[in-house]
Amino acid sequence: EVQLVESGGGLVQPGGSLRLSCAASGFTFSSYEMNWVRQAPGKGLEWVSYINSSGSTVHYADPVKGRFTVSRDNAKKLLYLQMNSLRAEDTAVYYCARAVAGRFGWFDPWGQGTLVTVSS
Amino acid sequence: QSVLTQPPSASGTPGQTVTISCSGSSSNIGITTVNWYQQLPGTAPKLLIYSYSQRPSGVPDRFSGSKSGTSASLAISGLQSEDEAAYYCASWDDSLNAVVFGGGTKLTVL
Repeated sequence: EVQLVESGGGLVQPGGSLRLSCAASGFTFSSYEMNWVRQAPGKGLEWVSYINSSGSTVHYADPVKGRFTVSRDNAKKLLYLQMNSLRAEDTAVYYCARAVAGRFGWFDPWGQGTLVTVSS
Repeated sequence: QSVLTQPPSASGTPGQTVTISCSGSSSNIGITTVNWYQQLPGTAPKLLIYSYSQRPSGVPDRFSGSKSGTSASLAISGLQSEDEAAYYCASWDDSLNAVVFGGGTKLTVL
């Protein structure tokens, strides 16, 4: 079964850092591009970041550019999101999602999400 | 303010057909594919329709998608109580160089 499981969320103070992980199983992780998508409490979905299959190409949404870094370890089948200089507006459930049909395609499947709360 | 515009809510009674619209522009829906996601209460989003009108394995044929110009639509026929969820459209935006989502439509089955 194709599965994605996020971890690493929690409560962090404004200005702090957190690293999220996404463990992949059931498919050839190294062959797929991956994304992070977030959802603030009671709000809609917002794309955060993209990484290609080798990790050589990354892209970020403007609100997180310069603060977040996406990376991957294909040998361990892990996707990461390093989040620095966190702000209250970064509070959200963070989902990892596999990209199908490339960067311009669709997301399938999604992980169950991990909650990040930025608050003092 | 989302780049793709969806009605915030929709409703219908069991057995009815409901349509959810998604309005975009020439930099997104007008030039590339539209995908739809279903998010049941308290769960992660799930791919419902991809490439305008294709259904992943396991998605009932009650769900259908279409596109016209810079807008797309999701139709749900034979509405069932388990269809009560939030529905999001998504597309690539060439001007923003990003995937963009609609604000979501919360479907209530009366």
